[in-house]
Amino acid sequence: QQQVKQSPQSLIVQKGGISIINCAYENTAFDYFPWYQQFPGKGPALLIAIRPDVSEKKEGRFTISFNKSAKQFSLHIMDSQPGDSATYFCAAAYGGSQGNLIFGKGTKLSVKP
Amino acid sequence: NAGVTQTPKFQVLKTGQSMTLQCAQDMNHNSMYWYRQDPGMGLRLIYYSASEGTTDKGEVPNGYNVSRLNKREFSLRLESAAPSQTSVYFCASRGGSGTGPYNEQFFGPGTRLTVL
Repeated sequence: QQQVKQSPQSLIVQKGGISIINCAYENTAFDYFPWYQQFPGKGPALLIAIRPDVSEKKEGRFTISFNKSAKQFSLHIMDSQPGDSATYFCAAAYGGSQGNLIFGKGTKLSVKP
Repeated sequence: NAGVTQTPKFQVLKTGQSMTLQCAQDMNHNSMYWYRQDPGMGLRLIYYSASEGTTDKGEVPNGYNVSRLNKREFSLRLESAAPSQTSVYFCASRGGSGTGPYNEQFFGPGTRLTVL
């Protein structure tokens, strides 16, 4: 119930294409869904986050789509660039969790020029 | 403003040796975390501290101990290192109140540990 399942494990996209990473969860108490971006040799950094009161959140080329009934959320990267090449982690948490995030296993994105 | 700092950056230990990983944050955050990252396993929580003076186990606490030395510093100790503890260790901190996840977690640059 505490798991967050992330797919695909790796993704190769051409420059200018759309990158899509999907996550699914079981615990209906989760009410916070962030995405973290990690470049090689660096720590993860928050990219974008959503609460379940909205179905979509957009920040620049990055969009989270959230489907509460299906218990799924996804990250869309529009006009993907080589600089977006990184590992992306979805995560979930709920208000009573002491701020503890449950992370997916990560997706390694490569954007080819 | 250095954010979250970790020392050392790299470490090689022999089985059975002990060591302490240091973490400090200068953002006046209440909550601090230790994670390990292994290939294909994502980030797994080892221990966390919701506020100064408190620590709690996360998902994978066996073989580790922690100390919240003060509000700034949170150390992770391996008493008797094992090859299974070869990993990249990340410290993170989060502002806001002790309960609720809604504020951003800020991560340090990591410590790459190899146990032979």
